[in-house]
Amino acid sequence: GAVVSQHPSWVICKSGTSVKIECRSLDFQATTMFWYRQFPKQSLMLMATSNEGSKATYEQGVEKDKFLINHASLTLSTLTVTSAHPEDSSFYICSAMDSRSYEQYFGPGTRLTVT
Amino acid sequence: RKEVEQDPGPFNVPEGATVAFNCTYSNSASQSFFWYRQDCRKEPKLLMSVYSSGNEDGRFTAQLNRASQYISLLIRDSKLSDSATYLCVVVGWGNQFYFGTGTSLTVIP
Repeated sequence: GAVVSQHPSWVICKSGTSVKIECRSLDFQATTMFWYRQFPKQSLMLMATSNEGSKATYEQGVEKDKFLINHASLTLSTLTVTSAHPEDSSFYICSAMDSRSYEQYFGPGTRLTVT
Repeated sequence: RKEVEQDPGPFNVPEGATVAFNCTYSNSASQSFFWYRQDCRKEPKLLMSVYSSGNEDGRFTAQLNRASQYISLLIRDSKLSDSATYLCVVVGWGNQFYFGTGTSLTVIP
């Protein structure tokens, strides 16, 4: 299957700082990528849909000024958590969609802990 | 009504058992369907796509019933390594992806 990488895999930051997470599709081009958040023992929650070359589409309740998404190329999307707070601590997972099959391939996730 | 509904379980079955999960969807215009597997603290991994004609991959069989708007996943001869959360995914128009909440499966020795 296709490979999606995510970096960093784990980050601890202080409250008030910003954290950038990268998502890369390694062996296919992805015009559409997705960002999810998952709290322990809960299902994935879609945060936003990232489209190459255009603005991201945010789900209801997700602050676009807090979670900045940039999809500047067909293989890279970034999520920046600005002014992070402890309640932002979560598992953030990206996925990239193969436009031919509609299959999503997930990155390994980034575990963010805000202290 | 949720776009996708899935019985969260948990399903606890003995090794060697056959277990089936269903997932219902509300939008009859949904285009594509998938089953993903997610292990604890890991990302979801694509298990199989679900085709109109149904598809089988080893011990796993996925089926789509458009008339009743559900997809199913059948696991035969369960192994301990099958223990995981199984997520159904339904894709609507405009590439809208809808995830089920996941069904937890534990295979017991």
